[in-house]
Amino acid sequence: DAKTTQPTSMDCAEGRAANLPCNHSTISGNEYVYWYRQIHSQGPQYIIHGLKNNETNEMASLIITEDRKSSTLILPHATLRDTAVYYCIVRAPNDYKLSFGAGTTVTVRA
Amino acid sequence: GAGVSQTPSNKVTEKGKYVELRCDPISGHTALYWYRQSLGQGPEFLIYFQGTGAADDSGLPNDRFFAVRPEGSVSTLKIQRTERGDSAVYLCASSPSTGRGLETQYFGPGTRLLVL
Repeated sequence: DAKTTQPTSMDCAEGRAANLPCNHSTISGNEYVYWYRQIHSQGPQYIIHGLKNNETNEMASLIITEDRKSSTLILPHATLRDTAVYYCIVRAPNDYKLSFGAGTTVTVRA
Repeated sequence: GAGVSQTPSNKVTEKGKYVELRCDPISGHTALYWYRQSLGQGPEFLIYFQGTGAADDSGLPNDRFFAVRPEGSVSTLKIQRTERGDSAVYLCASSPSTGRGLETQYFGPGTRLLVL
């Protein structure tokens, strides 16, 4: 049972904001939304996580809808180095496993 | 500081052979995880260590797979009688403590295993 749904792929232009959607309509009240990315031939890298409030760090912003059924990861100024597979993961506080789906393959084009 | 390292980076073996994959976690991290990633898919959980003990090995596909972490640091994933279907990238991750409480997992670059 996939807890999240993401588009298979998307393109974005270098220097523009990239908005990556994720649906998680069955999320429980205590479950967090996590984002990881995986650049080709590397291991996954943590980006950001949130519960209900919007979050921002040096890598990205996370916008979670009020009903928490969907979220958007925003890369404010995409660079070619942001080309990667982006995974949206729903995680309970006591989960130690990360349950990855297929993710969204993001290609940043010059 | 040093991240998670995995050796070898690539391993080619023949069907039926035995292989060992090594993971060196970040120093001081007590939680260690193994995941397996098949082509075009996201990583899938295999096993979780808390210190020296395997706290959850429910993701190991069958009894040909075994992992150890004898001193609570380095871990070795062992695969007996390899099959072509075992070909995948094997990823190791570590986190500071229990892995719960929203700890970040830090991944190594993976070992690419090809069984001919």
